[in-house]
Amino acid sequence: GQQLNQSPQSMFIQEGEDVSMNCTSSSIFNTWLWYKQDPGEGPVLLIALYKAGELTSNGRLTAQFGITRKDSFLNISASIPSDVGIYFCAGRNYGGSQGNLIFGKGTKLSVKP
Amino acid sequence: NAGVTQTPKFQVLKTGQSMTLQCAQDMNHNSMYWYRQDPGMGLRLIYYSASEGTTDKGEVPNGYNVSRLNKREFSLRLESAAPSQTSVYFCASGETVGYTFGSGTRLTVV
Repeated sequence: GQQLNQSPQSMFIQEGEDVSMNCTSSSIFNTWLWYKQDPGEGPVLLIALYKAGELTSNGRLTAQFGITRKDSFLNISASIPSDVGIYFCAGRNYGGSQGNLIFGKGTKLSVKP
Repeated sequence: NAGVTQTPKFQVLKTGQSMTLQCAQDMNHNSMYWYRQDPGMGLRLIYYSASEGTTDKGEVPNGYNVSRLNKREFSLRLESAAPSQTSVYFCASGETVGYTFGSGTRLTVV
């Protein structure tokens, strides 16, 4: 089935640094989503992207829908301790069934104060 | 507060025992989902329900059954728990955009 490759698997950064992570797929997606999961909680939607080339921001977060529709990027600027968590990308292809939101394996972010 | 509510939050089972994980949403969504999360594996879809009265298998359905009781509720049942089913289970609901997730059930099978 479809798979998403999310990298890096984990990151250890200093407070104030910028963060970049990405997801790639062998298949084309019509929608890309980015979620954040805080420890002990369920994932929460951060950003949704609907169009190839789209660049969308949510505060210090910026995400892009790749031109090829096979990749997406998430950047976090000036990281703070509360950015700690696991970030998941997810892709959706409306040509498939209802249950076709495919998730990456996550990027675990640790921030040192 | 609007959202997805899961019960219980924690559970320990012995191998062979059965249990049902409960999920309810109050956002009037047609679609509901059950995922399991294991370290390094991300979120894997177990079952989903596109609408009341319908259910379909996801990526990892073996060992599980589901019931879409009504539009609000979608339960996941383990008939005979196995250690391989030790995981964190998330229920979600949603349609066009992204899903709203519950806070999870941490299940340990010993």
